[in-house]
Amino acid sequence: DVKVTQSSRYLVKRTGEKVFLECVQDMDHENMFWYRQDPGLGLRLIYFSYDVKMKEKGDIPEGYSVSREKKERFSLILESASTNQTSMYLCASRGTKGPAYEQYFGPGTRLTVT
Amino acid sequence: AQSVTQLDSQVPVFEEAPVELRCNYSSSVSVYLFWYVQYPNQGLQLLLKYLSGSTLVKGINGFEAEFNKSQTSFHLRKPSVHISDTAEYFCAVVGGNFNKFYFGSGTKLNVKP
Repeated sequence: DVKVTQSSRYLVKRTGEKVFLECVQDMDHENMFWYRQDPGLGLRLIYFSYDVKMKEKGDIPEGYSVSREKKERFSLILESASTNQTSMYLCASRGTKGPAYEQYFGPGTRLTVT
Repeated sequence: AQSVTQLDSQVPVFEEAPVELRCNYSSSVSVYLFWYVQYPNQGLQLLLKYLSGSTLVKGINGFEAEFNKSQTSFHLRKPSVHISDTAEYFCAVVGGNFNKFYFGSGTKLNVKP
């Protein structure tokens, strides 16, 4: 079974802090994704990475950056957390053999910025 | 560009009743369609997917969905729901760039005893 793990289930940070959210997958997937989930808005793509050190912006990259130094690990960074970044953050991974390979999700990190 | 609409934000239903969760999509290219389920405090789990072939797709936990190209719909159905089906359900479409999934806003299914 594919396993995607996220470093924290719940996180509380103060405005202005630098925040790191970590995601690790164990299936040697090339593609990894960070989404933000908010009530009534579904999932919105922040960034994705299709290879080590490669990244592409999603629909809402502002205020976020990412890092992919190793294939299995994809980090989301909030350089200076703000209250409007309070949300559920979901990481996902996917193989490369076309659309048959669905995305596999981690359990999520619920981030609260006060 | 692709987009997904889930018109019902919440669907209350009694246990053992049938349910249909609606999903409509728009796309200018061939699409691949997915339904995911999210149980409380968990990530998303794949229920079923349509890639090609038969338009009726069967998934886990007794769910099925029908792809209707003319109506651009991919509604999810279950003939008899259980309390444990209480969760949020997301429809998603991917096309063209296979890495770009477009998710609907979700439908919360609340199964009552």
